[in-house]
Amino acid sequence: AQSVTQLDSQVPVFEEAPVELRCNYSSSVSVYLFWYVQYPNQGLQLLLKYLSGSTLVKSINGFEAEFNKSQTSFHLRKPSVHISDTAEYFCAVLKAAGNKLTFGGGTRVLVKP
Amino acid sequence: GAVVSQHPSRVICKSGTSVKIECRSLDFQATTMFWYRQFPKQSLMLMATSNEGSKATYEQGVEKDKFLINHASLTLSTLTVTSAHPEDSSFYICSANRGNEQFFGPGTRLTVL
Repeated sequence: AQSVTQLDSQVPVFEEAPVELRCNYSSSVSVYLFWYVQYPNQGLQLLLKYLSGSTLVKSINGFEAEFNKSQTSFHLRKPSVHISDTAEYFCAVLKAAGNKLTFGGGTRVLVKP
Repeated sequence: GAVVSQHPSRVICKSGTSVKIECRSLDFQATTMFWYRQFPKQSLMLMATSNEGSKATYEQGVEKDKFLINHASLTLSTLTVTSAHPEDSSFYICSANRGNEQFFGPGTRLTVL
């Protein structure tokens, strides 16, 4: 079975400062990795994903994540956050041969002016 | 991108009544849909996997007679919470599978009085 650990439940950060959200996973088989963002009272939106190829993946709004197989990590970073980045962020893994997502506990990012 | 809708977005019902939530894939066909439950400030908990034309697969601890799932077409899955009680109050989110990615609906907030 897979498991996903998001080490930080809450991350306060000032506007225009960098942020890193940590995600570690465990799995005995190959997995795909995802980051989702959830704004209050809304569903989840895909932020970025790693399926194969380059280990550094980027989103259109400045987030990036790097797949590190040896450390089984998929940390999410943004060099300069905006107030609008305040949200809950979920890391998730999907078995390459499966269809069920396993979610981490989530990290709440609060961007302060 | 793929769009998944849910209806209603919010519902308030009396204890003992049943509530039906619809999940639709608007621009693609989904043989598999998923139903999640999310408590405040917590991660998503998979309740069941909905398979078009066959019985749903429920996760351990989820009562199949209480949470009835029907996936009668390739674009619609429904979740019926039967004989709802206040402890069933939660945010219910569905997702639909397309390839190796899941697309999430906006969620339904159920409040049982």
